[in-house]
Amino acid sequence: AQKITQTQPGMFVQEKEAVTLDCTYDTSDPSYGLFWYKQPSSGEMIFLIYQGSYDQQNATEGRYSLNFQKARKSANLVISASQLGDSAMYFCAMREISGNDMRFGAGTRLTVKP
Amino acid sequence: ETGVTQSPTHLIKTRGQQVTLRCSSQSGHNTVSWYQQALGQGPQFIFQYYREEENGRGNFPPRFSGLQFPNYSSELNVNALELDDSALYLCASSWGVGWNQPQHFGDGTRLSIL
Repeated sequence: AQKITQTQPGMFVQEKEAVTLDCTYDTSDPSYGLFWYKQPSSGEMIFLIYQGSYDQQNATEGRYSLNFQKARKSANLVISASQLGDSAMYFCAMREISGNDMRFGAGTRLTVKP
Repeated sequence: ETGVTQSPTHLIKTRGQQVTLRCSSQSGHNTVSWYQQALGQGPQFIFQYYREEENGRGNFPPRFSGLQFPNYSSELNVNALELDDSALYLCASSWGVGWNQPQHFGDGTRLSIL
């Protein structure tokens, strides 16, 4: 069964505007972590932000914030004030207490327009 | 702080050959995970090494094998290469195997099978 679902294959945003990338997940574990990674065309996966299942507040890291809705099992990434350098693939991922692996979604390709 | 480094960057092999990919973990990290990323997809977990022992494996055949050394660096070996093995191979390191630990990735090795 698909653990991580990213329903937006591609997204466009105007420079300096905010954009939300969607992610829903499926787990029965009480403890899990949710992660977002950025992958430029060069291939490196860059860690952006982490949200734990027990965290009461939404995670924020600079221009990145995570809109965590536990009951809906969603963990959307919000990028504020988009920059041209934000153009890349973005992956949502999850680690569960019951597993050793990190499960990734299919990714969303974000294009920032000047 | 030294990040995750992988070698080689690119590699071309033919069907039936064997290949070894190498990874040096980020300083202070004792856990290494390997992922295969086919074109247009999210990374798929191959296996994880923790304190020189395999600590979890994804849905990959036994011809995918690995090692972790006392300095926590790691190798991924693939025997009897097939065309479908063409992919970006990513190594990620973390401190420990906890579900709340982000994994930090290298730039990857792009493997092409002819």
